[in-house]
Amino acid sequence: EDQVTQSPEALRLQEGESSSLNCSYTVSGLRGLFWYRQDPGKGPEFLFTLYSAGEEKEKERLKATLTKKESFLHITAPKPEDSATYLCAVLTYNTDKLIFGTGTRLQVFP
Amino acid sequence: DAGVIQSPRHEVTEMGQEVTLRCKPISGHDYLFWYRQTMMRGLELLIYFNNNVPIDDSGMPEDRFSAKMPNASFSTLKIQPSEPRDSAVYFCASRGYGIEAFFGQGTRLTVV
Repeated sequence: EDQVTQSPEALRLQEGESSSLNCSYTVSGLRGLFWYRQDPGKGPEFLFTLYSAGEEKEKERLKATLTKKESFLHITAPKPEDSATYLCAVLTYNTDKLIFGTGTRLQVFP
Repeated sequence: DAGVIQSPRHEVTEMGQEVTLRCKPISGHDYLFWYRQTMMRGLELLIYFNNNVPIDDSGMPEDRFSAKMPNASFSTLKIQPSEPRDSAVYFCASRGYGIEAFFGQGTRLTVV
């Protein structure tokens, strides 16, 4: 069965304190791995798509990387506005269903 | 583009009443997904359509739930009769040429 596991569940950082969020996946035939950001009361906002191991994508203070078993979302020198829940999802070649992890709730304090 | 549009944003209803949630996907997108989000279970896929045709409804919890997509620009998710355990945030998402799905702002449903 295809599975996505995110860790940690919650993360508290001081402003400027860099860290990484993890997304481990077990799927048959990865078509794409996605990172989304979700603010309270809003829908998930698309951040990145990663297609194959070794690929990296960057956007401002965020950098997403992918291996054959997991993905990391690196946050460099975070700011309070980076506080949100970050969701990882995978799409396989077997189906058009997007399978989500349970998310990491990030809080960045000034 | 205005993105995926859902209505209403909030719905409070009494147990046993019919509830209809609405979604307008991004123009030109041929996939439409309905998700439900709760604290306990996270984001769960309920049903998805391709070119207005339901492809997989295995996530629909029971017969009280139904979804339709009469045309490429409109979909509904109906719950009849509603129960308190249906309280959740319901999201609609659409996907076009690429494989990324884009989400609406959601409908927060409270059944009392």
